[in-house]
Amino acid sequence: DAKTTQPPSMDCAEGRAANLPCNHSTISGNEYVYWYRQIHSQGPQYIIHGLKNNETNEMASLIITEDRKSSTLILPHATLRDTAVYYCIVRVGPIYNQGGKLIFGQGTELSVKP
Amino acid sequence: EAQVTQNPRYLITVTGKKLTVTCSQNMNHEYMSWYRQDPGLGLRQIYYSMNVEVTDKGDVPEGYKVSRKEKRNFPLILESPSPNQTSLYFCASSLVQGDQPQHFGDGTRLSIL
Repeated sequence: DAKTTQPPSMDCAEGRAANLPCNHSTISGNEYVYWYRQIHSQGPQYIIHGLKNNETNEMASLIITEDRKSSTLILPHATLRDTAVYYCIVRVGPIYNQGGKLIFGQGTELSVKP
Repeated sequence: EAQVTQNPRYLITVTGKKLTVTCSQNMNHEYMSWYRQDPGLGLRQIYYSMNVEVTDKGDVPEGYKVSRKEKRNFPLILESPSPNQTSLYFCASSLVQGDQPQHFGDGTRLSIL
């Protein structure tokens, strides 16, 4: 699976959009970009994923550049409860590949401040 | 509600006393997996299962056993726990096909004294 690079930490004001970047320059054509977050020792929570098109759900939006070498997770109106470590993970879709293992890097620690 | 349920959430026990951490999912997922999370080491996969009666080792399987007798359950067994197994454990599940995400339980914090 492709390696990802994320900034170690970011701050965001409550109510503002949080834009979390991820670089994945070695991504392969069949690899998806998945975003998870972990709120202080709770289980990782799935947020969103995409292959090449931009995606939106009730939690966030995912913007993937045309060359697919980077992406941005957007939390449109960050709240204090969005304070967490955010992980960008690149892997092929089907679980039977590599035992389904998710490789969580260091992630970005997002602090939402009042 | 779709969920992955782990029990217990917290356990303090002593070296050598066998313990089982249960994991159950209600989403009819074929795939289930166990991870442990340690400071500075991130999440590491212990064992996984692609379906009933099919299990395989992850990256750190030593000292652990699993079984998959039913689709919904995937217990993690520590036959003779040792202090280096003190950790935060997560169970995850997913469909096998397609690109669907994995869903995680709330975690089990084990302390082995």
